[in-house]
Amino acid sequence: GDSVTQMEGPVTLSEEAFLTINCTYTATGYPSLFWYVQYPGEGLQLLLKATKADDKGSNKGFEATYRKETTSFHLEKGSVQVSDSAVYFCALSVRTGANNLFFGTGTRLTVIP
Amino acid sequence: SAVISQKPSRDICQRGTSLTIQCQVDSQVTMMFWYRQQPGQSLTLIATANQGSEATYESGFVIDKFPISRPNLTFSTLTVSNMSPEDSSIYLCSVGYLAGGLDEQFFGPGTRLTVL
Repeated sequence: GDSVTQMEGPVTLSEEAFLTINCTYTATGYPSLFWYVQYPGEGLQLLLKATKADDKGSNKGFEATYRKETTSFHLEKGSVQVSDSAVYFCALSVRTGANNLFFGTGTRLTVIP
Repeated sequence: SAVISQKPSRDICQRGTSLTIQCQVDSQVTMMFWYRQQPGQSLTLIATANQGSEATYESGFVIDKFPISRPNLTFSTLTVSNMSPEDSSIYLCSVGYLAGGLDEQFFGPGTRLTVL
């Protein structure tokens, strides 16, 4: 079945450190891939997405590249800030028209000054 | 994007009772969904709320336990029936658009439910 495997947390980094959160997927079709972020006390927000192989999604300094050969969509940021502290969810969607999302378990990131 | 509100934002309920959660969107949307996020776990889709017809439930979820209404294109409710402590979760509604093949969803702030 369709699923997402996400790097377990929590992850604690110092400000300006490099961030990688790993995400791999299993899908029967050709999925679209997403990273969602949940800041403390807030709802889920779409951070970035990619809809086909080799696409790179980017937003707020975060990037992720859709790698079909490795079935991966790792999230990266070159220099994290305290304000990036949140829970990050990798997700995929394969069902055309129904937009069903499958989520990873989430990775909690804490950035310390 | 869409602005989505949920009521209540949180509640503490007794075992055996039922709670109805409301989801309101500020514009007409094609798709509305209900998710559950159990403590320390990821989001799981409960059902797709269909306007004017019965909701489509995912495996493991049934209408008797989670009745859903969607009377129009901007509003939906999810009821958690005959609650037990295992139902303690965050319940989220989300909306999606089919126009132009857009496959993005927008989420409400969630309802944090604790069952004693």
